[in-house]
Amino acid sequence: AQSVAQPEDQVNVAEGNPLTVKCTYSVSGNPYLFWYVQYPNRGLQFLLKYITGDNLVKGSYGFEAEFNKSQTSFHLKKPSALVSDSALYFCAVKTASGTYKYIFGTGTRLKVLA
Amino acid sequence: GAVVSQHPSWVICKSGTSVKIECRSLDFQATTMFWYRQFPKQSLMLMATSNEGSKATYEQGVEKDKFLINHASLTLSTLTVTSAHPEDSSFYICSAWDSPEAFFGQGTRLTVV
Repeated sequence: AQSVAQPEDQVNVAEGNPLTVKCTYSVSGNPYLFWYVQYPNRGLQFLLKYITGDNLVKGSYGFEAEFNKSQTSFHLKKPSALVSDSALYFCAVKTASGTYKYIFGTGTRLKVLA
Repeated sequence: GAVVSQHPSWVICKSGTSVKIECRSLDFQATTMFWYRQFPKQSLMLMATSNEGSKATYEQGVEKDKFLINHASLTLSTLTVTSAHPEDSSFYICSAWDSPEAFFGQGTRLTVV
């Protein structure tokens, strides 16, 4: 069965420190991977995606993620966290072919402490 | 990137009434749109896939008679929550497919009182 796991419900990090939000996936075929951020009572904002090409993907607001096929991971990173990065982050995956469906992780709440 | 607009952003309705939520693709045509529901502090749950000109495909456990979906044009899908009850209160998010990915609306907070 296809699935996405975000093992941490919450990640706390001090402002200015690097942050990592973890995501692992299990799909058949080549995955398309996405990260979204959600602020309270708002929809999903796209951060970045991996479809093909370089394993290191750079996205919006200084975020980046590395696709690791052998570990089936797509961890979200940022070198220096801002208080304004505090939000709910979702990892999502779809297979490259077939269904249009996205499978979302359970979300990780990032709290950046001043 | 492609823009998807949802309207309204929030709505309060009385129990027993129906409420309609619109999802529009503003700068592209979308033959396929999706409706998600998000409970507090939980992930997005796919409710149904909306296909232009045909019936929606509902996920298991979603009541199709309660959540009516209409995708009458290539840029508009609507979700109507019929005979709403307080337990239908939730955050509803739509997305539209523009290959090779989907784009998400800003969501609608529905509160049934």
